[in-house]
This record gives sequence, structure tokens and C-alpha cells, in this order.
Amino acid sequence: GENVEQHPSTLSVQEGDSAVIKCTYSDSASNYFPWYKQELGKRPQLIIDIRSNVGEKKDQRIAVTLNKTAKHFSLHITETQPEDSAVYFCAASKSNTGKLIFGQGTTLQVKP
Amino acid sequence: DVKVTQSSRYLVKRTGEKVFLECVQDMDHENMFWYRQDPGLGLRLIYFSYDVKMKEKGDIPEGYSVSREKKERFSLILESASTNQTSMYLCASSPGRPPDTQYFGPGTRLTVL
Repeated sequence: GENVEQHPSTLSVQEGDSAVIKCTYSDSASNYFPWYKQELGKRPQLIIDIRSNVGEKKDQRIAVTLNKTAKHFSLHITETQPEDSAVYFCAASKSNTGKLIFGQGTTLQVKP
Repeated sequence: DVKVTQSSRYLVKRTGEKVFLECVQDMDHENMFWYRQDPGLGLRLIYFSYDVKMKEKGDIPEGYSVSREKKERFSLILESASTNQTSMYLCASSPGRPPDTQYFGPGTRLTVL
């Protein structure tokens, strides 16, 4: 069935460094790829998404890249700050459904 | 501002009890979802609904059922709670197809003793 693999499961960086989280998906029909951030004790919230007609999308310090041929997409956070510390989830979906398949999550720790 | 609320933040039940978790959204969203969240396993879809009285199984529906009698309300039912259903349960809603942002509720931490 549909599957999304996310790596790494934990990531620790120094403040100011960049962080990269990678996801691969199995269903080539997937065409919507959101990223959610979940701070400790809070609900997941969308931070950025990309659709398959676009290869890259940026929003200030965060960017997402998509390689449809290789079926993988990545989240890039530049100039990390302590408030970026959270669990990040990638997900994939197809246009004929509102259903998301989530990755396992990455716990990002940004050390001051 | 989208608001998704869940009936309880914390719940403690005994094995064999019937458990109801309720979710309400106030944005007239078509889609509603129930997930469970366990460390290292991400968010796993239990059931979802595209419309009133419609439901579809997700990836882990065993031991659960759902009810959607009104558009704004989606209930998750554990017919006979078991200890392996101890988890964080998250409800979400989204506007409709094509896929779009899902808005999550605060979660219910369920402990089954």
C-alpha cells in the first residue's frame, strides 16, 4: 500500500546551522506534499506544502524540494533557531482523495 | 480562524469499556479524520469521512468505529477498550478535494487500564 518513509528520526543541530529532513513515498500518483510541525504538547500545524507541478517552494527560512522521478521530497530549514525545535512530519496525498499518508516524524533539536 | 475541538484532553478508562471521543469543527469542512499518534510511528489514520454519514477505513481501523451524523461532528468509538489502544488521538478536518491543509484538534490522551 501507500507508504511514506522519513529520515532521520532525530536530528540535533547548533543554532544557526541548517537542517534537512528527507522523505520518500511509494505511490507515484501522489501529487501533494505537506510538512507539519508539532511543538511539544501542541497540535500539528502546516508549515509549508508543495504540489507536483512545482519543484521547489520557499517561505522565509524554510524550503521544500520535490523530485518526482526519484519519489522523494525534503524540508530545508536555514539559520535554525531554538524555537524550530519540534517534531516535523512529512505527508503525501493524491488529488482524488483528501487523505494524507504521514511519515514517522523527525525530532529536531536546535541547541543554543 | 479554523477551530477544531476535542471533547477531552485526558481520559482514563478500564479494559472492556466503551469509549467515545468527539471532535467538532466550525469551518464547514467536508473532510474529517481520526488519527492515533504513537512515538516512532507518526500519525496513523484510523478512519475518515468525506461527508455526513459517510466513512472510510484508514490504515488501522481494527477495534474502532466512527459516526458522522452532522457535518461538524465526527465521533470515534472504541467498542471494547484494550490496553493497546492507550495512545494520543488526534482529530483533523480539511475543506475537501483536492487535498489541502488539515487542521488538527488539541488531541486526547487516552489511557486504558
